[in-house]
Amino acid sequence: AQKVTQAQTEISVVEKEDVTLDCVYETRDTTYYLFWYKQPPSGELVFLIRRNSFDEQNEISGRYSWNFQKSTSSFNFTITASQVVDSAVYFCALSYFNKFYFGSGTKLNVKP
Amino acid sequence: SQTIHQWPATLVQPVGSPLSLECTVEGTSNPNLYWYRQAAGRGLQLLFYSVGIGQISSEVPQNLSASRPQDRQFILSSKKLLLSDSGFYLCAWSVGVSTDTQYFGPGTRLTVL
Repeated sequence: AQKVTQAQTEISVVEKEDVTLDCVYETRDTTYYLFWYKQPPSGELVFLIRRNSFDEQNEISGRYSWNFQKSTSSFNFTITASQVVDSAVYFCALSYFNKFYFGSGTKLNVKP
Repeated sequence: SQTIHQWPATLVQPVGSPLSLECTVEGTSNPNLYWYRQAAGRGLQLLFYSVGIGQISSEVPQNLSASRPQDRQFILSSKKLLLSDSGFYLCAWSVGVSTDTQYFGPGTRLTVL
């Protein structure tokens, strides 16, 4: 069975701090994809990144970076020098046969 | 470019009334379409998905139904709403294989009173 766990329900940081959002997944499949989405207060989910199970290279996009480790079944997301605009709920997801399995989300509060 | 629309944006309905939420996608053909529900402060629950016209898969037994009358149109319906149907309903699309990225619409916030 597929499962995604985001153990951090809510995180609060002060602007300019770095923050890491954890994501742990379970699957027996060897080929799968992992995603991160951002849900700002407006509600729409915004796609951030997609990573396949064969690509363990870390990725950096501006202040965002992702660390994928198959050995620990984790796909963590780090925001460097956080900003108030980063305040949102962040979801990690695993795709498998037409279905996405979403974690329960981590609410990030960035205070000025 | 592709865009996805949902309407209405907000809806307040009494218990026992019918429901119809609409989702349309522009700029792509034969998309996979999805309906999700998000209860307040919770994660996303997949309700239905469709890989083609008239092809609907239901994930959760409930008083909701979905239809796909046209290639890029996905409708979520109910004959009689329950209080527990309140939530944020999101439509999403993807193309190609099941592992492709899903892109979400702006959502409909439904309150059942």
